Amino acid sequence: AQKITQTQPGMFVQEKEAVTLDCTYDTSDPSYGLFWYKQPSSGEMIFLIYQGSYDQQNATEGRYSLNFQKARKSANLVISASQLGDSAMYFCAMREGGNQFYFGTGTSLTVIP
Amino acid sequence: GAVVSQHPSRVICKSGTSVKIECRSLDFQATTMFWYRQFPKQSLMLMATSNEGSKATYEQGVEKDKFLINHASLTLSTLTVTSAHPEDSSFYICSASNRFGEKLFFGSGTQLSVL
Repeated sequence: AQKITQTQPGMFVQEKEAVTLDCTYDTSDPSYGLFWYKQPSSGEMIFLIYQGSYDQQNATEGRYSLNFQKARKSANLVISASQLGDSAMYFCAMREGGNQFYFGTGTSLTVIP
Repeated sequence: GAVVSQHPSRVICKSGTSVKIECRSLDFQATTMFWYRQFPKQSLMLMATSNEGSKATYEQGVEKDKFLINHASLTLSTLTVTSAHPEDSSFYICSASNRFGEKLFFGSGTQLSVL
């Protein structure tokens, strides 16, 4: 089974609207971490947000929030008030065990003016 | 600012030459460093995992004699592509993790073109 699943290869959102990027994960490890990264066309991987499996509250970082549904094993990224500069690839990742990291296939987000 | 520095950002070399890529963690001690290869519009493909002071663990199908990884200190890992060939042309990116794994930061990547 895939460790990380991103089912949306491409998404479009109107500027200033909110968008949700889906991510589900698969692990039997009680301790794990979930990450989201943004990769613009320049290629760098920009860290956006982190959620630990024991964190009680959903992580938030500015316009980014992580909708952590532990029972459903989902970790969707919500971007509020989309900006043109948000157009990029977005990758969901999971850390399992000591230092095993798994990445999803990514979602390409396009913000429409 | 960047917490992981990777360079060079771009390198063009002749077939048969070797290329070294450096990855440095700037703000924290990187217990583990990872090297990935990424093809256009695809996800990251893990090549190897290296822990400071020990030999790298390579993923299946990755030639360890071709992709030499050294992680001599808690802040520096290097990837050397030996006897590069055109099929090695790709985007290579490193990442560094701290001891507890709640931090994973990436370098800015290296675009390798082998002529």
